[in-house]
Amino acid sequence: GIQVEQSPPDLILQEGANSTLRCNFSDSVNNLQWFHQNPWGQLINLFYIPSGTKQNGRLSATTVATERYSLLYISSSQTTDSGVYFCAPYSGNTPLVFGKGTRLSVIA
Amino acid sequence: KAGVTQTPRYLIKTRGQQVTLSCSPISGHRSVSWYQQTPGQGLQFLFEYFSETQRNKGNFPGRFSGRQFSNSRSEMNVSTLELGDSALYLCASSWRGLFQETQYFGPGTRLLVL
Repeated sequence: GIQVEQSPPDLILQEGANSTLRCNFSDSVNNLQWFHQNPWGQLINLFYIPSGTKQNGRLSATTVATERYSLLYISSSQTTDSGVYFCAPYSGNTPLVFGKGTRLSVIA
Repeated sequence: KAGVTQTPRYLIKTRGQQVTLSCSPISGHRSVSWYQQTPGQGLQFLFEYFSETQRNKGNFPGRFSGRQFSNSRSEMNVSTLELGDSALYLCASSWRGLFQETQYFGPGTRLLVL
């Protein structure tokens, strides 16, 4: 099955700093989502991004499917950005495969 | 449009008991998938239902089962609970399923087995 590696595993930032989270996956896929898991456990959709680049406010994501990686950029981080970020690639006949996530802590 | 809802949100059971969790998808969505999250194994796929039929199944023992009703609501059941079943159980819904589109997750049910 698809193997997913996320880096870094842990990240501590000062409020206002920028960061890049990376997601590498082992097989070709035609879908990928980024999620933020809040302290209560809910997975919040950030991006559905099978390829290309999307932006939503301070967040943006880029997926290069041919090279099997995706990046999530967080600019001007805020304490509310703290939590665990997951990427999950999937395709037409496989369910979402989650990486171990990047645990982000933003300090005021 | 209301999001995915899950009930109950928290549950405490003892070993050997059984439990039923419920998931109501976003209106119009016909696919419901279930995932288990534990600190040790992370997020793992349990099964997917589409139009009342189980279409995909993860690598879990037969104690884990599910079903989907005609209104797309889904239930999962875990029989003969073990300590290791303590986890956050998440369900996700989508319109067409087949894992071809955005999956929307509910808030989860946190199960503690004592």
